[in-house]
Amino acid sequence: DIQMTQSPSTLSASVGDRVTITCRASQSISSWLAWYQQKPGKAPNLLIYEASNLESGVPSRFSGSGSGTEFTLTISSLQPDDFATYYCQHYNSYPFTFGGGTKVEI
Amino acid sequence: QVQLQESGPGLVRPSETLSLTCTVSGDSFRNYLWSWIRQSPGKGLEWIGYFHFGGNTNYNPSLSSRVTMSAATSTRQFSLRLTSVTAADTAVYYCARVAHLGAWSYYFDSWGQGVHVTVSS
Repeated sequence: DIQMTQSPSTLSASVGDRVTITCRASQSISSWLAWYQQKPGKAPNLLIYEASNLESGVPSRFSGSGSGTEFTLTISSLQPDDFATYYCQHYNSYPFTFGGGTKVEI
Repeated sequence: QVQLQESGPGLVRPSETLSLTCTVSGDSFRNYLWSWIRQSPGKGLEWIGYFHFGGNTNYNPSLSSRVTMSAATSTRQFSLRLTSVTAADTAVYYCARVAHLGAWSYYFDSWGQGVHVTVSS
């Protein structure tokens, strides 16, 4: 299985900050990567697919980049609604796996 | 706008079978792949598998010996059966839609709210 490693596991930030989360794959996954946001008690919500494509309805302050084994999710100006946990997921090959999550907190 | 809703027992005894159902509304059931994903504190998010009403399935090898997914198209429902459960199967179970059928797009663009299942005697 391809292992997905996110860093940091916890990130402390303030409203207005630029935030970057990293996801590394144990082998190349091309651009087959998605990012999700999850709030407590809720299901994950798709933000980004194919590494850099913004899902419809997702604010433009979210962006994704990378290919191969290293990827980043950037929030250009953190808003109060963005305090949540973020997960990456590869879909390069079976089985699909998720990263361990990055919690963005105040 | 698709909506998914999981249902099933919140408590299952060890060694028994976990059975969950997902009801789909607001979208074409036949035009997508449908997936189950679970989340536990110990193992995080784990993809269980996907299926299509036409019979195409793909299960996570770590669970494939115990998993069956199937559909009842007349009721727009699909189900998950997981046999011989242990405490390690305690998790929140989500049903989700795979974004596009027929393209390499195995990410999940719609999710149910999740159902918490505890395995305990």
